[in-house]
Amino acid sequence: DQQVKQNSPSLSVQEGRISILNCDYTNSMFDYFLWYKKYPAEGPTFLISISSIKDKNEDGRFTVFLNKSAKHLSLHIVPSQPGDSAVYFCAASAQGGSEKLVFGKGTKLTVNP
Amino acid sequence: DVKVTQSSRYLVKRTGEKVFLECVQDMDHENMFWYRQDPGLGLRLIYFSYDVKMKEKGDIPEGYSVSREKKERFSLILESASTNQTSMYLCASSLRGKETQYFGPGTRLLVL
Repeated sequence: DQQVKQNSPSLSVQEGRISILNCDYTNSMFDYFLWYKKYPAEGPTFLISISSIKDKNEDGRFTVFLNKSAKHLSLHIVPSQPGDSAVYFCAASAQGGSEKLVFGKGTKLTVNP
Repeated sequence: DVKVTQSSRYLVKRTGEKVFLECVQDMDHENMFWYRQDPGLGLRLIYFSYDVKMKEKGDIPEGYSVSREKKERFSLILESASTNQTSMYLCASSLRGKETQYFGPGTRLLVL
């Protein structure tokens, strides 16, 4: 049973426009969420995170929104740049301090010049 | 900066061989993790460790074992490599009590 779902395998946007990547989760015990970015042949790099006590977190061009009632989060990238082209993984951590992450399958973002 | 290194970037092995993948982190992190990444399947947790000599199974431990003799080093062992273990293997570490994991560059393993 997939607890973290990224239903769009790919997304293509024009440079300068907004990229919106979506993630849904099913486990109501998840209380911390992270986004990672991964280039081919490299390890994932941490991008931004949000705690369940917040509904928004911003870091430069990246904003993550959390809707707990819908069990949905999204990553907004504004403006999108060609260097943002990568696979983006959503991850979640449950209460209890296990510190394990459950990852989605990823969304491949392509930003066209 | 957190640095997680993996012993090989690319590895080619034969079916039945014993394979060792090494991971070292230099930030005194208590937690270490091994994942595999396959197209369309995302990152799946194989094993993790909260402390030296401690290990716990992740979601797909079958065919794998691990060793953590020192805090900074976490090894993944494929006792008898099979073709379905061809994958990208990723090591990560994190501080106790913190969710953010830091990843190594990955080892792409091909089992022939």
